Amino acid sequence: DTEVTQTPKHLVMGMTNKKSLKCEQHMGHRAMYWYKQKAKKPPELMFVYSYEKLSINESVPSRFSPECPNSSLLNLHLHALQPEDSALYLCASSQVPEKYNEQFFGPGTRLTVL
Amino acid sequence: TQLLEQSPQFLSIQEGENLTVYCNSSSVFSSLQWYRQEPGEGPVLLVTVVTGGEVKKLKRLTFQFGDARKDSSLHITAAQPGDTGLYLCAGISGGSNYKLTFGKGTLLTVNP
Repeated sequence: DTEVTQTPKHLVMGMTNKKSLKCEQHMGHRAMYWYKQKAKKPPELMFVYSYEKLSINESVPSRFSPECPNSSLLNLHLHALQPEDSALYLCASSQVPEKYNEQFFGPGTRLTVL
Repeated sequence: TQLLEQSPQFLSIQEGENLTVYCNSSSVFSSLQWYRQEPGEGPVLLVTVVTGGEVKKLKRLTFQFGDARKDSSLHITAAQPGDTGLYLCAGISGGSNYKLTFGKGTLLTVNP
């Protein structure tokens, strides 16, 4: 199984809502990532988990809260988002990188904040 | 900040034409990867190049890593509409191995 799955595919939420994005992989990867991507731009790293511990937070606002319940699952909890947070949110996983970092991406969640 | 400059930024060609996309940096990269992303989907890893001067072929796609490991190119022969997408180069250069530096991407459209 070389697939990273993400749910939901699309999400529309108001600025006062609380929602969660989910990501799952069964490749035995111990590194998992959240990215934000705007149209026609490269992905921007948000968070990195290594061995289920948060290892990198790229100064992401606290309205985004990541969680890694186990080695296969990664969640992103959303609360009080702003319209400018509308984007494609990508999850990725990889083996713990040494010389290179080959990441496998999920299909993304298209988030619209009204 | 280690930068990867990709060119061209946009490319629109007819089916059957050849094209080359470039990824350049002033920094040395231990490896470079190329991803293709189709609209509404996540990036898909195409190849990783590790050794300076390395050439890898994937059907009609040819990837090259510069001798000094500061640049890479992707050449597509006889492009097809299915090649349409955003092509991204990415690599690790110093810092944390968990952080990929991405180029800004090349948006390729192949018209039938």
